[in-house]
Amino acid sequence: NAGVTQTPKFQVLKTGQSMTLQCAQDMNHEYMSWYRQDPGMGLRLIHYSVGAGITDQGEVPNGYNVSRSTTEDFPLRLLSAAPSQTSVYFCASSYVSGQLYEQYFGPGTRLTVT
Amino acid sequence: AQSVTQLGSHVSVSEGALVLLRCNYSSSVPPYLFWYVQYPNQGLQLLLKYTTGATLVKGINGFEAEFKKSETSFHLTKPSAHMSDAAEYFCAVSGGGGADGLTFGKGTHLIIQP
Repeated sequence: NAGVTQTPKFQVLKTGQSMTLQCAQDMNHEYMSWYRQDPGMGLRLIHYSVGAGITDQGEVPNGYNVSRSTTEDFPLRLLSAAPSQTSVYFCASSYVSGQLYEQYFGPGTRLTVT
Repeated sequence: AQSVTQLGSHVSVSEGALVLLRCNYSSSVPPYLFWYVQYPNQGLQLLLKYTTGATLVKGINGFEAEFKKSETSFHLTKPSAHMSDAAEYFCAVSGGGGADGLTFGKGTHLIIQP
C-alpha cells in the first residue's frame, strides 16, 4: 500500500514550457485534490475531483488543467509555465463515510520556473 | 465558502511552557476541522481532526484541540513544549463534507526557546 505518490520530486522548467505533475493513489479513494504551497500563504486548492470523470476548480485554478480518467490517477498539467507557478505542489486523496474522514497527502513536488 | 484565520504567523514559547496556537474558521455548513504539522522540507503530517462527536480532540505528540462552535474556533494546545515541536502548523477546514478539498490557514511558525 503505497498511499499517495507524486512524481517528480523536483523539476525545473523554463518559462513557456509545459509539463504534467503525476499523482496516484492505491487506496480506492473517491476524492482527490491538488494544492500549491507558497511561503506565508499556506496551502491553496488548485483543482479537485469527486470521482472519475468529475473535476472542479478550487481557489487558484488559472494556468492549470486536470483530468480524472481513473480513480487512481489525478495528473496536474501546466500548459505554459510561468515564474509565478514556482511552488511546492501537494496532491491528496480522501475518503469520507459518515463520521469517518481520512485524508492522505503525497510527499510533494518542488517546481521552479525560470 | 469557508475561510480559516490563524492568529500569529510566528509564536515563540519556552521549552516546557504551554503551547497555544489559535485558529478561527468560517463555514456555512458543519465543518470538519484539522491541524497539520510540517517540518522543514517535509510534507504534511496530520496532528488531529474533528468531524463530529466529542468537541475535545486528542492528537499525536501530546497535542489537543477543542471545537467551540459558538466561538468558531479550533485552537491547538500542548501543556509542555518540547524542542522537537518547532515546526510550521496549519489549521484547515472542510465545509463540503470532505468532497471539495480543504481550506488552509496561512500557517503559524512555532519557535521553541531553550
